Amino acid sequence: DAKTTQPPSMDCAEGRAANLPCNHSTISGNEYVYWYRQIHSQGPQYIIHGLKNNETNEMASLIITEDRKSSTLILPHATLRDTAVYYCIVRTDNFNKFYFGSGTKLNVKP
Amino acid sequence: KAGVTQTPRYLIKTRGQQVTLSCSPISGHRSVSWYQQTPGQGLQFLFEYFSETQRNKGNFPGRFSGRQFSNSRSEMNVSTLELGDSALYLCASSLGDRGRDYGYTFGSGTRLTVV
Repeated sequence: DAKTTQPPSMDCAEGRAANLPCNHSTISGNEYVYWYRQIHSQGPQYIIHGLKNNETNEMASLIITEDRKSSTLILPHATLRDTAVYYCIVRTDNFNKFYFGSGTKLNVKP
Repeated sequence: KAGVTQTPRYLIKTRGQQVTLSCSPISGHRSVSWYQQTPGQGLQFLFEYFSETQRNKGNFPGRFSGRQFSNSRSEMNVSTLELGDSALYLCASSLGDRGRDYGYTFGSGTRLTVV
């Protein structure tokens, strides 16, 4: 199964961009990279996903390296409400099953 | 449109009892997946149902079971509860077509405490 590696925690100043890295060196050509976040005791919330092109939506941007072995989630202007655990997930094969790693705890500080 | 609804929100059970959790997916979604989240193990996949059939299963004992109804609503059952079953149980729904880049929408979960 494709695995992801993320730093356990990161700090970011409010109003600054938060750049969350993720390594997925064993990703296959047809596997997508998804990002979810989970605020304490709530269900995970979808943020963005991509295959090989960079993606942007109203929440974030996703930058995927050309070799697809790593990606970065960018929150352009972090707020205190962005404090959460961020999960980078590679969707494996054709089954609707996500493997959640430990994620990155993002602490946005005033 | 309405999101994924899980009931009950909180539950306290005694060791040895059984419990049934309910999940109503987003209208039109045919796939329902269940996850268990504990501080020690994180988010772990339990099983997925699609069109009333279990399509995928995680590494959990047979005490954990589920089913899906014709309206896509799903229930999860845990029999002979153990203290270690205390967790947040999350349900997620998706359109469910294989090979497509559909993500999940998660519910808020059911917090089960076994005493």
